[in-house]
Amino acid sequence: TAGITQAPTSQILAAGRSMTLRCTQDMRHNAMYWYRQDLGLGLRLIHYSNTAGTTGKGEVPDGYSVSRANTDDFPLTLASAVPSQTSVYFCASSRTVQETQYFGPGTRLLVL
Amino acid sequence: DQQVKQNSPSLSVQEGRISILNCDYTNSMFDYFLWYKKYPAEGPTFLISISSIKDKNEDGRFTVFLNKSAKHLSLHIVPSQPGDSAVYFCAASGTASKLTFGTGTRLQVTL
Repeated sequence: TAGITQAPTSQILAAGRSMTLRCTQDMRHNAMYWYRQDLGLGLRLIHYSNTAGTTGKGEVPDGYSVSRANTDDFPLTLASAVPSQTSVYFCASSRTVQETQYFGPGTRLLVL
Repeated sequence: DQQVKQNSPSLSVQEGRISILNCDYTNSMFDYFLWYKKYPAEGPTFLISISSIKDKNEDGRFTVFLNKSAKHLSLHIVPSQPGDSAVYFCAASGTASKLTFGTGTRLQVTL
């Protein structure tokens, strides 16, 4: 079973360039999330979507945008990358916002 | 404002002994608590959860205890095995709040 897939696995990006991190789930979960993991800071929520067609801001949304055109896909876009966006990005999904979240394998991003 | 705190960044335990990972929270509206386990280069995986109506939940070698009055939960792993070496995140949510994660505790189980 695929669960949640993320692409790319890793990326080196020049500052100022744009990039879209892809996330797809096949569990028909209503809710999806994007987190970043940084040493000493744990997992911080960037954006979320309670259901297809809706999105919301998390704890650290600045510099990121998301869309939720359908149930399965939840891409995260960095319009103009900065070095502070160097991180590991995890996508997650859950059947509803109150239920257990399941995570993808992550995307490692280095912004130079 | 860290609503979920894991004050021990790391823990080392000998194989076969008990591992106890601790987590404190400040939001009294949290009513669902989870533990996730994360290996390097992988996403976090769900381990065990507990709702606020219970004070203990057990699944094999893993037991989570919840002390609502102290706003404290703990994860006990017994007996600890080398494969348990990972980073453990506690997380909490409430009816009106999203899942909030702690900063993680790195567990090292030594031979």
